[in-house]
Amino acid sequence: QKEVEQNSGPLSVPEGAIASLNCTYSDRGSQSFFWYRQYSGKSPELIMFIYSNGDKEDGRFTAQLNKASQYVSLLIRDSQPSDSATYLCAQDIQGAQKLVFGQGTRLTINP
Amino acid sequence: GAGVSQSPSNKVTEKGKDVELRCDPISGHTALYWYRQSLGQGLEFLIYFQGNSAPDKSGLPSDRFSAERTGGSVSTLTIQRTQQEDSAVYLCASSTRGVRTSGRSDTQYFGPGTRLTVL
Repeated sequence: QKEVEQNSGPLSVPEGAIASLNCTYSDRGSQSFFWYRQYSGKSPELIMFIYSNGDKEDGRFTAQLNKASQYVSLLIRDSQPSDSATYLCAQDIQGAQKLVFGQGTRLTINP
Repeated sequence: GAGVSQSPSNKVTEKGKDVELRCDPISGHTALYWYRQSLGQGLEFLIYFQGNSAPDKSGLPSDRFSAERTGGSVSTLTIQRTQQEDSAVYLCASSTRGVRTSGRSDTQYFGPGTRLTVL
């Protein structure tokens, strides 16, 4: 069973709407969760990290973590065409530093 | 400040040849990681260095893969007797300290990657 699951998409959202990206994980011991954005042909860049249950907001981005249900999500408000990219969810593995990544969700924002 | 740098950006080699990929982490970062990303695949962990500790090699796919980190800074990933299935983008990342005493992981910052093509 894959440790981090994401819907590969593509997810299409109209410009100005809210994009909702979801990720589920199996390792209950994980304490650190990360969202990375990856443009085609580029390396991943950090969007947000979250350690605690609840919401964490940064500008147009909100990360949500629910450890009881083992999911983490990323909301993008007022979506822009420049938000079109693949979004990678990652978690650390208990007792180890390595990150395990989901397959990524390809997001397209339509003007 | 300067980010993670990797060289070469592209490498084309013939099957059976050895290749070396280089990573320069962010200055002051003590933790360094190698990942690879195959076409249409997610990122796959390969190896992790933290300070002077023994590296975590649990992600290396075979004994043809090895890595070293000299002087706690620059790292080299070596693939011996390359195979076509080794074709991928090899990404290096670094972080400040790795795992904190709280058990939480520091953010990893990625380099631009090396695209390896094995013919």
